[in-house]
Amino acid sequence: GAVVSQHPSRVICKSGTSVKIECRSLDFQATTMFWYRQFPKQSLMLMATSNEGSKATYEQGVEKDKFLINHASLTLSTLTVTSAHPEDSSFYICSARRGTGSGANYGYTFGSGTRLTVV
Amino acid sequence: AQSVAQPEDQVNVAEGNPLTVKCTYSVSGNPYLFWYVQYPNRGLQFLLKYITGDNLVKGSYGFEAEFNKSQTSFHLKKPSALVSDSALYFCAVREGTGGFKTIFGAGTRLFVKA
Repeated sequence: GAVVSQHPSRVICKSGTSVKIECRSLDFQATTMFWYRQFPKQSLMLMATSNEGSKATYEQGVEKDKFLINHASLTLSTLTVTSAHPEDSSFYICSARRGTGSGANYGYTFGSGTRLTVV
Repeated sequence: AQSVAQPEDQVNVAEGNPLTVKCTYSVSGNPYLFWYVQYPNRGLQFLLKYITGDNLVKGSYGFEAEFNKSQTSFHLKKPSALVSDSALYFCAVREGTGGFKTIFGAGTRLFVKA
């Protein structure tokens, strides 16, 4: 159980276009999802926290108009990279939180990641 | 603010030998600590976690980690390394009380030589 599907796994797009990445929790409801970005040989950097039915909370330095996050249902969050540039090329990973409440022993499940290349 | 440090960029070990991947953390409240493994171009796979209870935590694939509160450490260990253990390992921390964000260390690349 607790599977998170992330799609697409790889995408190549032209500069100036937009790309949408989907993150789905397949067998549980995820009230909260997280989007991370990973540069080569570096750690995961939290970009934003996405709560179902409300606006995402972005980390400092992340452009909310560039990285649009929508969490319209309990099983789907999307990240749209708008007007992509080569410097947006990266590995993007989502994570979904199972369970509710604060400080609880809830689990986090990660998607398999999306390799974005902007040419 | 919470933080995680993995002091080694890379760890090399011979197959069959014990391995240790180091992690220290800083968090204001009680820590929830995690280890994840990542293979090339893949997402993260959960190995183990410490929430409360026994300081020695056993996880997937024969890995274990020891929570040391006085040293604020959570080192990952395995008694006998396999070549297939070669991967990138991330330590992560989440503040236990009301914490939502998981903060990751920089990662340690493990090479196991046959």
